[in-house]
Amino acid sequence: EAGVAQSPRYKIIEKRQSVAFWCNPISGHATLYWYQQILGQGPKLLIQFQNNGVVDDSQLPKDRFSAERLKGVDSTLKIQPAKLEDSAVYLCASSLGDRWYNEQFFGPGTRLTVL
Amino acid sequence: GENVEQHPSTLSVQEGDSAVIKCTYSDSASNYFPWYKQELGKRPQLIIDIRSNVGEKKDQRIAVTLNKTAKHFSLHITETQPEDSAVYFCAATLGGTASKLTFGTGTRLQVTL
Repeated sequence: EAGVAQSPRYKIIEKRQSVAFWCNPISGHATLYWYQQILGQGPKLLIQFQNNGVVDDSQLPKDRFSAERLKGVDSTLKIQPAKLEDSAVYLCASSLGDRWYNEQFFGPGTRLTVL
Repeated sequence: GENVEQHPSTLSVQEGDSAVIKCTYSDSASNYFPWYKQELGKRPQLIIDIRSNVGEKKDQRIAVTLNKTAKHFSLHITETQPEDSAVYFCAATLGGTASKLTFGTGTRLQVTL
C-alpha cells in the first residue's frame, strides 16, 4: 500500500514569512497527526485529527500555527509568521484509528529552515 | 503531562555485540510503549512495542522489557549489525482512546565493523 505522502520535502524561508505543508495519509486512515521534530530531539505532537475533527491541539502554538483537515483526508499545516525556532522537520503520520494499538505510520517529513 | 527520558544519547558498539537503550516515563497511567527506528534522513518506523500487562517481548534480535514499578523500559538488540545503525526513539502513551505519543530524545546507535 502507498505510504503517507508529504510535500514539499524541503523549504527555506526567511523569518516572518509564511509557509504551508501538505500531507496525504494512507487511504482509509481516520486519524492524522502532525509532529514537529527539532534536530536532536524526538517528535513532538502538534495536532491530532480524527476524521476532520481536532482531537488534541494542546501543543500547537495557535498564535502562529494552524492546521486543517478538510473532508477528513488530506491535511495542511501552516505557519504564519515563521520564527527562527520553527526550523525543524515536520512529520505527518496516520493511523487507522485513535486507539493505542493502531500503529502510526510516518511520512518522510518536510525539513523547514527559517533564516 | 507525560515526560519520557532516554539514555544514552549516543551508543557505539562493535558488530556482533549487544546494545541496550533505556527509557523512563513519568505518568504511571501510561500503558503502551513503542520503539521507533529512524535511519538518517528517513521516517521513523515502528520496530517493536509492549503493553503494560507484559514484562518482556521479543522479535528475533530485538527485545523490550518493562518494569512498571520503576516506570522504565528498555530496548535490547543482540548480535548487532551495521544496518542497525540509526536513531532509536522510545515513546509512551496512556492508551485507550488516547493515542498521543510522547517521545524520548533519541539514541544514536553506531555499529562499527
